[in-house]
Amino acid sequence: GQQLNQSPQSMFIQEGEDVSMNCTSSSIFNTWLWYKQDPGEGPVLLIALYKAGELTSNGRLTAQFGITRKDSFLNISASIPSDVGIYFCAGRGYGNKLVFGAGTILRVKS
Amino acid sequence: GAGVSQSPSNKVTEKGKDVELRCDPISGHTALYWYRQRLGQGLEFLIYFQGNSAPDKSGLPSDRFSAERTGESVSTLTIQRTQQEDSAVYLCASSSTGGSSYEQYFGPGTRLTVT
Repeated sequence: GQQLNQSPQSMFIQEGEDVSMNCTSSSIFNTWLWYKQDPGEGPVLLIALYKAGELTSNGRLTAQFGITRKDSFLNISASIPSDVGIYFCAGRGYGNKLVFGAGTILRVKS
Repeated sequence: GAGVSQSPSNKVTEKGKDVELRCDPISGHTALYWYRQRLGQGLEFLIYFQGNSAPDKSGLPSDRFSAERTGESVSTLTIQRTQQEDSAVYLCASSSTGGSSYEQYFGPGTRLTVT
């Protein structure tokens, strides 16, 4: 079946730094979604991407749908302590089901 | 409006017992999904309901797992004869139809511990 490779697995960065994470797949996806999960809570949708090449921002977050439709990245600018958590990418091929990456754990040093 | 709700938030059960987990989707959402998330891991798809169509059960790990949904509302995930390996957070998500139908919104999850 379809699988997503998400990297890095974890990051430990200084407050104020920019962060970048990405997901790649051997299969084409038609939708990319990025979620953030805080401890003890469900994932919260951050950004949804629907077209190849699309670049979308949500505050300090920017995500892009790769031209090949096999990858997506998420950037966080000027990180702050509340950015800590686990970030998941999710891709949709055909139909409504999503495939999730394994997550990127973000830790921020204040 | 109200988001996806799940109950109980925590469940501790003895090995071999049956458990029922409940999900209330966002009102008007026709699609409902169940996922399992083991500690420190990603989301594992279990089952998907879309309107009155037959559910997609392709992710259920064994016949001990089953789920039902009443119309376009509440869903119940049942695990029979629980095993320690079933310990995980069970997440429910719902989505609407139309242009944003691929955006799934999650509940807070039920943390299941099998002792």
